[in-house]
Amino acid sequence: QPVLTQSSSASASLGSSVKLTCTLSSGHSTYIIAWHQQQPGKAPRYLMKLEGSGSYNQGSGVPDRFSGSSSGADRYLSISNLQSEDEADYYCETWDSNTHVFGSGTKVTVL
Amino acid sequence: QVQLVESGGGVVQPGRSLRLSCAASGFSFSSYAMHWVRQAPGKGLEWVTVISYDGSNKYYADSVKGRFTISRDNPKNTLYLQMNSLRAEDTAIYYCARGPQNLHIDYWGQGTLVTVSS
Repeated sequence: QPVLTQSSSASASLGSSVKLTCTLSSGHSTYIIAWHQQQPGKAPRYLMKLEGSGSYNQGSGVPDRFSGSSSGADRYLSISNLQSEDEADYYCETWDSNTHVFGSGTKVTVL
Repeated sequence: QVQLVESGGGVVQPGRSLRLSCAASGFSFSSYAMHWVRQAPGKGLEWVTVISYDGSNKYYADSVKGRFTISRDNPKNTLYLQMNSLRAEDTAIYYCARGPQNLHIDYWGQGTLVTVSS
């Protein structure tokens, strides 16, 4: 079963950019992942599906400021022109043999 | 638009049972796999279980296997989670979520809080 590793926190200034990393465990470097955003006190929201090739598909209504990329076992979520509403927890998700797993989440703080 | 509305949460004593429901609308419910995901207070997301579009296949996290049962009623557009032998560590917000078959979750409900306490 794959394991997803995320750093616990990240911060950046309003209007700047931030890049979050989700790393797949050994033997699972080709897996597709999904990124989800959870604003404080709210339910999660699906952001995008991201393939190992770097190709990504955004969910409905997701701003173009959110983009994805990949390198080896690393999957990235980049947020440009950071807004106050982007302050949230970000989780990656993957699946294997009909079980799903989430990373531990990265808390993004907008300075 | 896609809507998922959970209900049935509440306070329950350890060892007792509870059934959660999720009413779906805005999409063809019978064409999608459905999940339950939970989040303990102050913690991250934990996947709990998934059921295939027709209910023929069900899979569970080890932490709930043998205690929780997922089911669905496609004519009623409703997903269920029967939770038995509840433990304090089952205390969490439970989210209903949609997932295209063999793919990621793409829509989430607002969640329902389950508190297991004596």
